[in-house]
Amino acid sequence: QVQLVESGGGLVKPGGSLRLSCAASGFTLSDYYMSWIRQAPGKGLEWVAYNSGSGTTIYSAVSVRGRFTISRANALNSLYLQMNDLTAEDTGVYFCARVLGSVGNGVHFDQWGQGTLVTVSS
Amino acid sequence: SYELTQAPSVSVSPGQTARITCSGDALSKQFGFWYQQKPGQEAPILLIYKDTERPSGVPERYSGSSSGTTVTLTISGVQAADEADYYCQSADISGSYPVFGGGTKLTVL
Repeated sequence: QVQLVESGGGLVKPGGSLRLSCAASGFTLSDYYMSWIRQAPGKGLEWVAYNSGSGTTIYSAVSVRGRFTISRANALNSLYLQMNDLTAEDTGVYFCARVLGSVGNGVHFDQWGQGTLVTVSS
Repeated sequence: SYELTQAPSVSVSPGQTARITCSGDALSKQFGFWYQQKPGQEAPILLIYKDTERPSGVPERYSGSSSGTTVTLTISGVQAADEADYYCQSADISGSYPVFGGGTKLTVL
């Protein structure tokens, strides 16, 4: 069955960097767009970024553009999120999710990982 | 930026029907989707896709509808286990940038 397992979260100081990973299994990663979605403590879901099966097409939320980079290594069945210049507003649980639908027509998320907690604090 | 609006909370007694709405201008052109997230920030579950479709494994008690700029999630015969946060999701007018509603907390009285 499909499984997504995030790792790499932790405590980081403001201005610091962190790289999250998502290990995918049970499906062929290169066949799917993949996404990162985050949730601040006690708050709602916020889409962060997604990329195409090849990794060459990328869309990012305005709130993270220029600071966060989504990438993947299909041969390793892995999705990544490089996060730079972190602020307290980036604190939250980060989920990776498999994307269904197509860009411009019904993008949504059918499988989610359990998430990894990122805390930005001095 | 594009927004989807949900009521913060809905309360219903067991066995009754709960209706959770989500409104936003782009919903007249983009599909709506619904997710359930149980307490403790567990992984969300896809309940409804493309306004009205139900993934396999989701009980028939969950249904979706769409009218104009509003999509609605209906839960029939509400059970205590349905107590959760429910999020709608769609995209901006181009369809390229996903957006989530603020979430509705369903309380079963």
